[in-house]
Order: sequence, then structure tokens, then C-alpha cells
Amino acid sequence: QVQLVESGGGLVQPGGSLRLSCAASGFTFSDYYMSWIRQAPGKGLEWVSYISSGAGFIYYADSVKGRFTISRDNAKNSLFLQMNNLRAEDTAVYYCARGGSTGDWWGQGTLVTVSS
Amino acid sequence: EVVMTQSPATLSVSPGERATLSCRASQSVSSNLAWYQQKPGQAPRLLIYGASTRATGIPARFSGSGSGTEFTLTISSLQSEDFAVYYCQQYNNWLYTFGQGTKLEIK
Repeated sequence: QVQLVESGGGLVQPGGSLRLSCAASGFTFSDYYMSWIRQAPGKGLEWVSYISSGAGFIYYADSVKGRFTISRDNAKNSLFLQMNNLRAEDTAVYYCARGGSTGDWWGQGTLVTVSS
Repeated sequence: EVVMTQSPATLSVSPGERATLSCRASQSVSSNLAWYQQKPGQAPRLLIYGASTRATGIPARFSGSGSGTEFTLTISSLQSEDFAVYYCQQYNNWLYTFGQGTKLEIK
């Protein structure tokens, strides 16, 4: 059974940092591209970033480029998103998803709130 | 950036009836189009990829069609569990983009 469990969300002040984690199980993590997708409260979906299976290919949305860093640890079946210089508009539920073009499995999401 | 436009914003349909949802891309995305279903408080679920291929475990009442810039998701006979928000997503070119969603509600 595929499982993706995000953690690390919370309340942070503008300009602050957070590191999100996604623990994967039930599949061979190292075989798959992985992605972060976010959804602002009551809004639609935004694809934030994805990383190839070996971390050789990484893409970011323009809205987060230079502030967010995606990474993975295949030995620990884990995906990460380091978020720096956070802004109010980064407030959203952040989902970890399996896949680099479509997300065929999603975690339950972790809420990031950027507010003073 | 490819802009995805979904119509209608809200669709009211009775259980047992057919629902047809539309998605238009601002430029051709070939068949690199996916559909997702999202229920309140839940993560999206992949329904269709490649414009017309059902994802694992998706019932046959869900079907997708189209290519280029015009796409359709059809639900042939609505069940109570199908009332949700549906999103289309293009993955032809990075930056991948989603439509704004169609809310399918009970009539």
C-alpha cells in the first residue's frame, strides 16, 4: 500500500524558514520522480517543484525559485522541501506526490501558514 | 505559461445522469493532460492521464477525451461519491499548470 506522509508545516513569520518532509512507503522510492504541489486555502492547485529519481533533474515554479529547495534521500525513502524567505502568499497546504508529471499518489498534506 | 480554463465553474447534475466537464488550454498540450478529483478535506486523486487513460482503480464510468487544446471529462452515470471538485492539469511543458476547477454538485 503506497503511503506518503508529510510533516513539518506550521506557523512562521514572513521571512522565516521551514523544512517540509515526506516519508514514503509501499513502493520503491528510488524509482520514482517526486513532486511538491500546494493549495492555498479555498483556492486551486499549484505545482511547486519536482525532482527526478536520482536528483539529476529539478524544476521549480517561478514563484518559489531561489527561495525553495527540493531534495531527496533515497536511502531513507524521504522527500524534502526547504522553504526560505517565506511570504504570506506561500500560505497553503503542501502536498507530496509521487510522479514528476502527474501525481498518481498524494499525501494528506501539511499546512504552512505565513503570518506575523 | 500554459493557461488552463475549465468550464463550467459549477455544474449541477442529478444522480444517475451524465456529467460533461470541459478544459481548454491556451496552447497545444498534445495529449499531456490529466484530470483529478478532490473532495473536501482530502488530497486530489488522479483519475485520467494521457487525456484518456484511466488511472489504476478508477471506475469505467469516468472517461476522458480530446487532444491539443480541447479536453473533456465525462462521468457516464453519476454516483453520490462523484460529487466533488475536478481539476485538469497539463504536463506538456514545465511549468505544469492546473485549471481553476469545476465543482460538480447535486441537483
